[in-house]
Amino acid sequence: QSVLTQPPSASGTPGQRVTISCSGSSSNIGNNYVYWYQQLPGTAPKLLIQRNNQRPSGVPDRLSGSKSGTSASLAISGLRSEDEADYYCAAWDDSLSGWVFGGGTKLTVL
Amino acid sequence: EVQLVESGGGLVQPGGSLRLSCSASGFTFRSYAMQWVRQAPGKGLEYVSAISSNGGSTYYADSVKGRFTISRDNSKNTLYLQMSSLRAEDMAVYYCVKTTQGEYYYYMDVWGKGTTVTVSS
Repeated sequence: QSVLTQPPSASGTPGQRVTISCSGSSSNIGNNYVYWYQQLPGTAPKLLIQRNNQRPSGVPDRLSGSKSGTSASLAISGLRSEDEADYYCAAWDDSLSGWVFGGGTKLTVL
Repeated sequence: EVQLVESGGGLVQPGGSLRLSCSASGFTFRSYAMQWVRQAPGKGLEYVSAISSNGGSTYYADSVKGRFTISRDNSKNTLYLQMSSLRAEDMAVYYCVKTTQGEYYYYMDVWGKGTTVTVSS
């Protein structure tokens, strides 16, 4: 059971906009930044969104992150086949004094 | 270019031991905290252990506390994870991950490709 809650799956057709949610508590998302990682099939995770809504260099602007209270979301617009991957949210947890992850969301491009 | 290369994974019997290594290059290793994150087959990411840049602070998930030991050799740009009393539930791909500053409460930015640990008799 992951500390952060994500839907196990999401899907969309090419060109559509999809959002992936991440729910936590006051000890993690409510009081700290949220990060998003993308894991393409058979590869290591890659940082996609840092500090709630900042894109590292090289990440296209059709990906965006947001946070409100104890929840966060990742939005992908102009969906492409190469976006098909697992997406994980993460945040520091003050109570555990460690990082916590969501269970991951498998995005399928139909 | 930042590179993290894990090694040391393999097949081990339940109750056995294994030492993972992570060789770092492309950045000033001694300035950054480092982490180990694992992923069991078909499962999500699990935060396992972390160490500050000077080795003075460490973190262990409850699931590995007392069995795993994280360490680093800044002169060799290498991170280690000594694993003992291994269990079936420790079977996973273990990723070495760089943090953005010297303490491990800063976020993780670069991941290695991982090394696979299989626990089976």
